[in-house]
Amino acid sequence: AQSVTQPDIHITVSEGASLELRCNYSYGATPYLFWYVQSPGQGLQLLLKYFSGDTLVQGIKGFEAEFKRSQSSFNLRKPSVHWSDAAEYFCAVGFSNTGKLIFGQGTTLQVKP
Amino acid sequence: DAGITQSPRYKITETGRQVTLMCHQTWSHSYMFWYRQDLGHGLRLIYYSAAADITDKGEVPDGYVVSRSKTENFPLTLESATRSQTSVYFCASSEGGELFFGEGSRLTVL
Repeated sequence: AQSVTQPDIHITVSEGASLELRCNYSYGATPYLFWYVQSPGQGLQLLLKYFSGDTLVQGIKGFEAEFKRSQSSFNLRKPSVHWSDAAEYFCAVGFSNTGKLIFGQGTTLQVKP
Repeated sequence: DAGITQSPRYKITETGRQVTLMCHQTWSHSYMFWYRQDLGHGLRLIYYSAAADITDKGEVPDGYVVSRSKTENFPLTLESATRSQTSVYFCASSEGGELFFGEGSRLTVL
């Protein structure tokens, strides 16, 4: 069955430190890949997406993600975290262009001053 | 403003009552979705719709009913609410594979 795994439920980093959030998926072909961010009490906002082409994609707020086919991974990175990045982050995969996505369980990011 | 509007944003109801969560989009996207968000489960798909009068079950459809008589509206009904349906519900529409979310409806079933 198709699935998405975010191994880290909770991550704490210091402000200014680098960040990497992990995402692995299970599927035979290359899916559509997404990272969404959710601030408390808010809906989900798209950070970035990968459909095809260059495997390193740039998103909003200084985030980037790299698709690694051999590892079935799509990890999210940011070189220097800001306190405003504290939120919950969701990786999602889709297997067509319909928008029907499977979400990971989410990773909560806490930023220490 | 353009986008997806959900109502009500907050709802408290009792076990056994019928509840309808409304979702309206102004983009005319073909696909619309209902997800529920629960701690430890991320977002799980309840129902989705490819167009007016076309709906299909997602991962967790039991206890829910949807309809889509117009492209812009996609209401979700809990016919007899249960405590296990206490959750935050998100409506979304899609364009080119990307989902656009509403702000969510927080439902508490007592």
